[in-house]
Amino acid sequence: DQQVKQNSPSLSVQEGRISILNCDYTNSMFDYFLWYKKYPAEGPTFLISISSIKDKNEDGRFTVFLNKSAKHLSLHIVPSQPGDSAVYFCAASARVDNQGGKLIFGQGTELSVKP
Amino acid sequence: DTEVTQTPKHLVMGMTNKKSLKCEQHMGHRAMYWYKQKAKKPPELMFVYSYEKLSINESVPSRFSPECPNSSLLNLHLHALQPEDSALYLCASSQLEGLIDTQYFGPGTRLTVL
Repeated sequence: DQQVKQNSPSLSVQEGRISILNCDYTNSMFDYFLWYKKYPAEGPTFLISISSIKDKNEDGRFTVFLNKSAKHLSLHIVPSQPGDSAVYFCAASARVDNQGGKLIFGQGTELSVKP
Repeated sequence: DTEVTQTPKHLVMGMTNKKSLKCEQHMGHRAMYWYKQKAKKPPELMFVYSYEKLSINESVPSRFSPECPNSSLLNLHLHALQPEDSALYLCASSQLEGLIDTQYFGPGTRLTVL
């Protein structure tokens, strides 16, 4: 059972426009969500996170929105740049006191930003 | 600084070899993780160490043996691996503080088992 889903394997956007990446989850016990950017054969790079008690978090060109009732989150990148081309993973976890938590990843969305 | 380092970057080993992967962080993080990632798939958790103690083992075969010598170091000992164990092995660390426990990943070790 996939607890975190990214239903779009790929997305193509023109430079300067908005990129919207979507993520759905099924487990209402998740406490926080993170977005990572990944290039082939490299480790994921942390982009932005959001706690389940918030509905929006913004950091520069990146904004994450959380809709708890719909169990849906999205990452907005504005404006999109060619250097943003990568695979984007949505991940979720539940906070456990004094213990590292398991990150559950979606399948990833490959973003291509065209000049 | 959010740097996690991993060595080696690439490793090729036979099925009878014994090798080790190493991971290091100097951010004072109290949890360290091993993930495995196959091509075109998301990372999958293998082990978690919290305060230098193994806190999660995701039913990983015993041919993978983790070790946490101190709070900055994490090893993954490999023995009698199978070709299907070929993958990118990722180490991560986190602070274990706050509402959001962000995991920071290293660059990975690309393992090929012949």
